[in-house]
Amino acid sequence: DIVMTQSPDSLAVSLGERATINCKSSQSVLYSSNNKNYLVWYQQKAGQPPKVLIYWASTRESGVPDRFSGSGSGTDFTLTISSLQAEDVAVYYCQQYYSIPYTFGQGTKLEI
Amino acid sequence: QVQLQESGPGLVKPSETLSLTCTVSGDSVSSGSYYWTWVRQPPGKGLEWIGYIYYSGSTSYNPSLKSRVTISVDTSKNQFSLKLNSVTAADTAVYYCARCRGSLGWFDPWGQGTLVTVSS
Repeated sequence: DIVMTQSPDSLAVSLGERATINCKSSQSVLYSSNNKNYLVWYQQKAGQPPKVLIYWASTRESGVPDRFSGSGSGTDFTLTISSLQAEDVAVYYCQQYYSIPYTFGQGTKLEI
Repeated sequence: QVQLQESGPGLVKPSETLSLTCTVSGDSVSSGSYYWTWVRQPPGKGLEWIGYIYYSGSTSYNPSLKSRVTISVDTSKNQFSLKLNSVTAADTAVYYCARCRGSLGWFDPWGQGTLVTVSS
């Protein structure tokens, strides 16, 4: 199984400041045949299901504010929120879909 | 707009079988473009993929649960189902159904989830 490790486990950021969450996979999730990273970022607010923010490591889902961005390749990935808003308080998860079984990071709790 | 809704008992006794159904609206489980998946989340913890099914009946399961899991699809009702047998307290979780974008894809959308508690 591919192990996904996020850092930090929790993060407190002031309104308007930048938040950065890291995700590391135990093996590369980059398919050489199509040069795509099989990594997605989800946001989960309290009492709600996860919601897709970023897929293919850096493609923003339709309707997601552009303050959210994803970067990285191979085994190291980053989710950045450029200017934190109150509504961004949530737990953020990365997940690889490179191979079965799909695996998630342990989550990063983002607070203000 | 695609919506998924989980249903089933909220309380299951230890050693018995957990059974849940996901009803899909706004899309067809027979569409062929997607796989239909189950994910669970123990209270206060992270997410675990359980498995998925294609409309043809082809399945893939998490090896950690494979010996106890069965996922099935009913195209006539536009539903898919989860059975997990020999449950213990460790199986207490919110169970989500979701649509998976291909055999190697992300999950979107998700159902609201249903809490299943294993207790006597």
